[in-house]
Amino acid sequence: QQPVQSPQAVILREGEDAVINCSSSKALYSVHWYRQKHGEAPVFLMILLKGGEQKGHEKISASFNEKKQQSSLYLTASQLSYSGTYFCVVRWYIFGTGTRLKVLA
Amino acid sequence: GAVVSQHPSWVICKSGTSVKIECRSLDFQATTMFWYRQFPKQSLMLMATSNEGSKATYEQGVEKDKFLINHASLTLSTLTVTSAHPEDSSFYICSAREPGTNWANVLTFGAGSRLTVL
Repeated sequence: QQPVQSPQAVILREGEDAVINCSSSKALYSVHWYRQKHGEAPVFLMILLKGGEQKGHEKISASFNEKKQQSSLYLTASQLSYSGTYFCVVRWYIFGTGTRLKVLA
Repeated sequence: GAVVSQHPSWVICKSGTSVKIECRSLDFQATTMFWYRQFPKQSLMLMATSNEGSKATYEQGVEKDKFLINHASLTLSTLTVTSAHPEDSSFYICSAREPGTNWANVLTFGAGSRLTVL
């Protein structure tokens, strides 16, 4: 039931782009994305409610394909502050497997 | 915005003792709260759903008698780890959502409690 994310980990240089994918085995009606820094609580990034919907937050955007039961998070021109672990969340309380992102100067 | 306070932020205890972690919604009433456990470099795993005025709903594999959850009021849920052992050492996080909101709304998280059992 836990959504599977890919990749598990990624290392970027500042300014590079990354895509994080989230795949569910069950039908999706919404997807939330959170970022967690080490030792801290997850912080909400965005929510997608409709199939095919894309939303953006600064240089971070996401898409949601309910037919494929997938969502993707796009990070463009990454900054050092983007480092952390990214989680998709379905049924608003079930966390995905997580993707560790490290941005290097 | 909504704020959830979790206490203590860290605790060290001896094996065999019990530890209580509190989760409070400060500016809203939470009929439902969620308790998660997170091991290093792993995802948040839902342990149980705490419902005000009724018994908690535990996820498969979570021992009810070991992880006691009490949701006695609309602003407080507690998790008690009974007879703690070193394998219970973990990061425990609670979350809540404001009542009356639909399934699309965002969870508000506590800051987490790091438990170390010696």
